[in-house]
Amino acid sequence: EAQVTQNPRYLITVTGKKLTVTCSQNMNHEYMSWYRQDPGLGLRQIYYSMNVEVTDKGDVPEGYKVSRKEKRNFPLILESPSPNQTSLYFCASSLRSGSDEQFFGPGTRLTVL
Amino acid sequence: GDSVTQMEGPVTLSEEAFLTINCTYTATGYPSLFWYVQYPGEGLQLLLKATKADDKGSNKGFEATYRKETTSFHLEKGSVQVSDSAVYFCALGGSQGNLIFGKGTKLSVKP
Repeated sequence: EAQVTQNPRYLITVTGKKLTVTCSQNMNHEYMSWYRQDPGLGLRQIYYSMNVEVTDKGDVPEGYKVSRKEKRNFPLILESPSPNQTSLYFCASSLRSGSDEQFFGPGTRLTVL
Repeated sequence: GDSVTQMEGPVTLSEEAFLTINCTYTATGYPSLFWYVQYPGEGLQLLLKATKADDKGSNKGFEATYRKETTSFHLEKGSVQVSDSAVYFCALGGSQGNLIFGKGTKLSVKP
């Protein structure tokens, strides 16, 4: 089944404790992206990747890191999480470009205390 | 820059009512336009899309027509069901090769 998977689905952590949210797609897509969803703000792009070893900042990259060592994986790293990073996070992928149809993962709900 | 504006919610309708969710956009060129739907507790999924002017996207009884002259892509459904309760996002394919989303409209359908 073609899909985007994210882990964990739920995470409660404390300020400053490094964490990684994994994202994997099995559709051989070139483009991958991370978004955060907050009430009243819709979806905002954090980082995206056009292909392996190519990543770039989205609209709200501060406090986040990403890597794209393999085509299928695009982990999101919070090196020192803060409470304002409490949010719902989505990973997405598309065949070539971000302006194509994007396929979304189920989301990761992160709470930083 | 590119942007999407959609009507604020929440929208509450009775079952079998007619639905319209307005969406207008600002963009250079002729972007692809999308409606995504997010059911409770799930990620977004594509509902329909249109890639050029006057195209009509349709799926699951929902329709939207790409109107270049009014820069609009309004979502409509003739008879909503309780199962249509969700958050609906209008989006466009931006000139930077990204998707630009509206803020979402929450729809609640009452039996």
